[in-house]
Amino acid sequence: DIQMTQSPSTLSAFVGDRVTITCRASQSIDRWLAWYQQKPGGAPKLLVSKASTLETGVPSRFSGSGSGTEFTLTISSIQPDDFATYYCQHYEISSPIIFGGGTTVEI
Amino acid sequence: QITLKESGPTLVKPTQTLTLTCAFSGFSLNTIGVGVGWVRQPPGKALEWLALIYYNDDERYNPSLRNRLAITKDTSRSQVVLTMTNVDPVDTATYFCTREPFCHGGSCPLDHWGQGTLVTVSS
Repeated sequence: DIQMTQSPSTLSAFVGDRVTITCRASQSIDRWLAWYQQKPGGAPKLLVSKASTLETGVPSRFSGSGSGTEFTLTISSIQPDDFATYYCQHYEISSPIIFGGGTTVEI
Repeated sequence: QITLKESGPTLVKPTQTLTLTCAFSGFSLNTIGVGVGWVRQPPGKALEWLALIYYNDDERYNPSLRNRLAITKDTSRSQVVLTMTNVDPVDTATYFCTREPFCHGGSCPLDHWGQGTLVTVSS
């Protein structure tokens, strides 16, 4: 079974910092990876699909990269609204959907 | 505008069967490639995918929960129902209804989510 491991589990940042979150797959998943943002008490919001495709309306300070087993979500200059928990997700036809353990970005 | 809304009991006793309903609007489960499913999140913990049902009645389940779950759809009423048998306190979680859209050339991530419903399993 494929496992998705995120790091770090928590990170502290100042407004304006460049923030990078890593997601590693236990085996190659090509580019079948998405990133979500979740704020306390809310539902996850899709940010990135196919490893690097930004969803409509997502600020350009967010970017995704990677393929195979290692992926990153980068926030180029973190804003107050970006402090949240981020999840990576592997999705692929005929495979179970797997979420990473989450990364909480706090001030 | 696409919306999904979960409904069901807020409290369930151990060993009982949990039934959750997702009522959606703004799209049809008759559309090729579209699926509706469930994801849960125990308090303070990570997301866990449970199940999906597609326009063509294909079903997908989390292998670790497969023998306890059943997902069905009522396309005419725009509803999807999840049942989970033999619940335990570890099943206490917020349960989200989600949509998988159609994507050319492969699978798609979950692009719309309901607000979630908290289900507590306790005697």
